[in-house]
Amino acid sequence: EDQVTQSPEALRLQEGESSSLNCSYTVSGLRGLFWYRQDPGKGPEFLFTLYSAGEEKEKERLKATLTKKESFLHITAPKPEDSATYLCAVYTNAGKSTFGDGTTLTVKP
Amino acid sequence: EAQVTQNPRYLITVTGKKLTVTCSQNMNHEYMSWYRQDPGLGLRQIYYSMNVEVTDKGDVPEGYKVSRKEKRNFPLILESPSPNQTSLYFCASTLSGEQFFGPGTRLTVL
Repeated sequence: EDQVTQSPEALRLQEGESSSLNCSYTVSGLRGLFWYRQDPGKGPEFLFTLYSAGEEKEKERLKATLTKKESFLHITAPKPEDSATYLCAVYTNAGKSTFGDGTTLTVKP
Repeated sequence: EAQVTQNPRYLITVTGKKLTVTCSQNMNHEYMSWYRQDPGLGLRQIYYSMNVEVTDKGDVPEGYKVSRKEKRNFPLILESPSPNQTSLYFCASTLSGEQFFGPGTRLTVL
């Protein structure tokens, strides 16, 4: 059974305080690992897809990395508008996807 | 504008009354999927479709049906809704590793 575990569950940062979110996974036939941002009451917003160990992608203050067992979402010098729930999901060759429970990030000014 | 649309956005219904939630995408994506999101349980995949006339069960398919007769539409059908299907539902479409979600449908079954 595919499993995705995200940690921490919640993270509070001061503006400018960099940190990382973790997503560990076990999956048969990984096709890709997705990161999303979700604001309350809205659908997840796509951030990145990573396909193979060693791959990295960046977008503004966010950088996602992938190993064979986990992925990290690094947030550099976060701002209050980065406050959201960040979701990780794995997508298999069979077409199924499994989400983690998310990390709720709060950035205080 | 590239988008995934869902209708209705909000629905309150009663147990046993058949309903359909529509999902449409204008990006010509082959892959579409339905999820439900519940507090403490996260997003769980209900059904997915890798192309027209091809559908497969996700992790929680019981009580749901889908159809994919054309590429742009992927309706979710609840033949006999029950209170445990009260949830927030999302449709999504995917191409080349980018997955786009609809705005969600909040369903309450009394």
